[in-house]
Parts: sequence; C-alpha cells; structure tokens
Amino acid sequence: DAKTTQPTSMDCAEGRAANLPCNHSTISGNEYVYWYRQIHSQGPQYIIHGLKNNETNEMASLIITEDRKSSTLILPHATLRDTAVYYCIVRSRNNNAGNMLTFGGGTRLMVKP
Amino acid sequence: EPEVTQTPSHQVTQMGQEVILRCVPISNHLYFYWYRQILGQKVEFLVSFYNNEISEKSEIFDDQFSVERPDGSNFTLKIRSTKLEDSAMYFCASSAGAGEQFFGPGTRLTVL
Repeated sequence: DAKTTQPTSMDCAEGRAANLPCNHSTISGNEYVYWYRQIHSQGPQYIIHGLKNNETNEMASLIITEDRKSSTLILPHATLRDTAVYYCIVRSRNNNAGNMLTFGGGTRLMVKP
Repeated sequence: EPEVTQTPSHQVTQMGQEVILRCVPISNHLYFYWYRQILGQKVEFLVSFYNNEISEKSEIFDDQFSVERPDGSNFTLKIRSTKLEDSAMYFCASSAGAGEQFFGPGTRLTVL
C-alpha cells in the first residue's frame, strides 16, 4: 500500500471548516484513499473514502486532486467533538485478501472554542 | 445503527496467563479483524479472518496468538501466555466486503 504523509497536528476554530491534507504521491491506480479518525482511546471510526472523484457524506467531504497524489478531508463546520486524530490511509480493495489497514501517526486536530 | 461490541472493556491478567478477548461483529459482515494499540503508539494490524480462516496476519501475530469464530456471532482473540508487552488496547473490526471497516470500542488488556 502507498505511504501517506500528514501534518502532525492542526488547530481549528469551532464552527469553521477544518481542512486536513494528505500526501500520497506513490498511490497506484487501484488504490483508494480512506479516512478514519480516533477520538481519545476509542476505536477508529470510518469517515469517508474515494478513488478518483470527490466524495461527500454526512460527516465530511473528500477532495482528491486530479493526479491523485494528494487529498484533503474537509469537516465543514468543526465542533469540539471533532477533536481527534485523523488518519489518511491508502489501500487497494481485494475481496480475497486481508484488506489490512496500515495506520500512520495521523493528524491530531484540536478544535478550539 | 448496528455496531461492533467487545468484552470485557478491561482485562487485567498475570504474566503467563491465557486471555480470551471477545468480539461480536456486525451481523451481516463477512470479514473480521483484530488490531492493537500500545499506549501512545500507532494502531497496528494483527490479523484478518474471512471464510473461516486467517487471510492475512502481521509479524506481531505469532504462535502465542490465535483467533476463532466459535459460533455464528462471536469472534475471539486468544493470547496463550501473556507477556508484559502485550499490554495494549485491542480493537476488533468487521466489514461487509473489502471496503470500510467498523471498529469496536476496544478491550484494554493490562498484563502485570
């Protein structure tokens, strides 16, 4: 699976959009970009994923550049409850394989009042 | 909304003892996983399980570890002879297919 690079930490004001970047310059054609987050000591929580097109769900939006070498997770109106470590993970999907997730250090997002 | 559950939430054991961590995956899911997170460190993959067999495992998952799906609902992780360094949060996850995985709340294992 391709390696990802994320900033170690970011701050965001409550109510503002949080934009979390991720670089994945070695991504290959069949690899998806996944985002998870981990709120203190809880299990990781799936947020969103995409292959080429931008995606949006009730939690967030995912913007993937045209060359697919980077992406941005957008939380449109961050709340204090969005304070967490956010992980960008790149991997392929194979129904016959393990599909393990490889977690890096992630970005520690602190939402401040 | 369906969710993955894990028991117990906290397990304390003596070094050398066997422990079994239990998970109930989401009911229609077919893929099951165990991960662990040592305090202050990254989440690490241990093993994945599909079609009643291990499909992938990491170097951490040595002969001291085993997994089982004893019935239609439970998925267990056994550590045969615990070591101090096995102290960690253990997370179970499940997925319907090869896509997104849903994690349980974790079991905190403390080995004394």
